[in-house]
Amino acid sequence: AQKITQTQPGMFVQEKEAVTLDCTYDTSDQSYGLFWYKQPSSGEMIFLIYQGSYDEQNATEGRYSLNFQKARKSANLVISASQLGDSAMYFCAMREGQTGANNLFFGTGTRLTVIP
Amino acid sequence: DVKVTQSSRYLVKRTGEKVFLECVQDMDHENMFWYRQDPGLGLRLIYFSYDVKMKEKGDIPEGYSVSREKKERFSLILESASTNQTSMYLCASSLYGSSRGAQHFGDGTRLSIL
Repeated sequence: AQKITQTQPGMFVQEKEAVTLDCTYDTSDQSYGLFWYKQPSSGEMIFLIYQGSYDEQNATEGRYSLNFQKARKSANLVISASQLGDSAMYFCAMREGQTGANNLFFGTGTRLTVIP
Repeated sequence: DVKVTQSSRYLVKRTGEKVFLECVQDMDHENMFWYRQDPGLGLRLIYFSYDVKMKEKGDIPEGYSVSREKKERFSLILESASTNQTSMYLCASSLYGSSRGAQHFGDGTRLSIL
């Protein structure tokens, strides 16, 4: 079974609108971490936001927020006030267990296109 | 800021060649990783290392080996390159036991095997 599922291969959003990118995960561990990364066309992977499984509040980093619904095992990324520079691939990832070697499992990604 | 540097952005090699991809990080991280990225498949872990001279197989180690002689350097080796190893290769590092475990990535190497 896939540990991280991103069901949206591509998404379009109008500039200045908000967009939600979906991510569901599968783990039996009680302690885990969830990450979102952005990959522009240039190729580098940029860390955006982190949510720990014991964090009670949803993580926020500027225009990015993570809608964490533990019972549903979902960790959706919300980007508010989209900008043209947000056009990129977005990957959801999960670390199982306590931090240590910190191996991450990645989803297949969602390509976001922001329309002017 | 953490800097992870991969030796080449683009590389073209021939079938059967031995190929070395180098990765260096400057933040004294214990953990280092090699992934390959293919369209529709996301990132798949090839090998990782949590200490000098230590290595662990990831999900797709076949056809690859790694070397970690120094803490800051992690090399990926394609023993005998094949066309199905044409891909984007990403190196990453992270701090062992950090509260988050976020991995920091290099810019990637687009490898073509002809």
